[in-house]
Amino acid sequence: QVQLQQSGAELVKPGSSVKISCKASGYTFTSYDMHWIKQQPGNGLEWIGWIYPGNGNTKYNQKFNGKATLTADKSSSTAYMQLSSLTSEDSAVYFCARSINYRDPFDYWGQGVMVTVSS
Amino acid sequence: DVVLTQTPVSLLISLGGQASISCRSSQSLVHSNGNTYLHWYLQKPGQSPQLLIYQVSNRFSGIPDRFSGSGSGTDFTLKISRVEPEDLGVYYCLQRTHNPWTFGGGTKLELK
Repeated sequence: QVQLQQSGAELVKPGSSVKISCKASGYTFTSYDMHWIKQQPGNGLEWIGWIYPGNGNTKYNQKFNGKATLTADKSSSTAYMQLSSLTSEDSAVYFCARSINYRDPFDYWGQGVMVTVSS
Repeated sequence: DVVLTQTPVSLLISLGGQASISCRSSQSLVHSNGNTYLHWYLQKPGQSPQLLIYQVSNRFSGIPDRFSGSGSGTDFTLKISRVEPEDLGVYYCLQRTHNPWTFGGGTKLELK
């Protein structure tokens, strides 16, 4: 069955960076887009960007340009998101989710990673 | 960016009752290819969102027919009939017609 297993919670200092992971199983990793979505406490959902692991192509929500960097490792079927120059506004739960095509829905999601930015 | 406005923000429903959630878009969600990329999700407490309905009215695998979606252009509705305890949580609409993809603000379904 399709599973997206994300890494554990992170407590990081302002100004630093963090890299979170999303390990895929149960499907062909290189055939689906992998998206990242942000959810701040009590708030809704924001789409950050996506990567196509098949060729490494990425596309970002302009709002997250320079904040998020998406990569993927085909050998381990793992997608990564690095967040840089962290501030309290980056404290949130981050989900990975896959979609088969450019406009199809995100059909399976990871369990989410809580990132807390605090000194 | 496309703004999706969901109403109501919260909904109190009795078990066995019917719920209706609206998602209104700031722009038409009809793509130039004729398709409408409006999808619905449920986020149960402490869980990640789960896909219910894709492209306005198609139920995702395993979703019971108590859930139905309808609408066109800028106005969309999710209906849940015979509400059960496992239907409680926050419902979101998502549009993937216009980049960047955007979500509605959510509608919280609670028991009366």
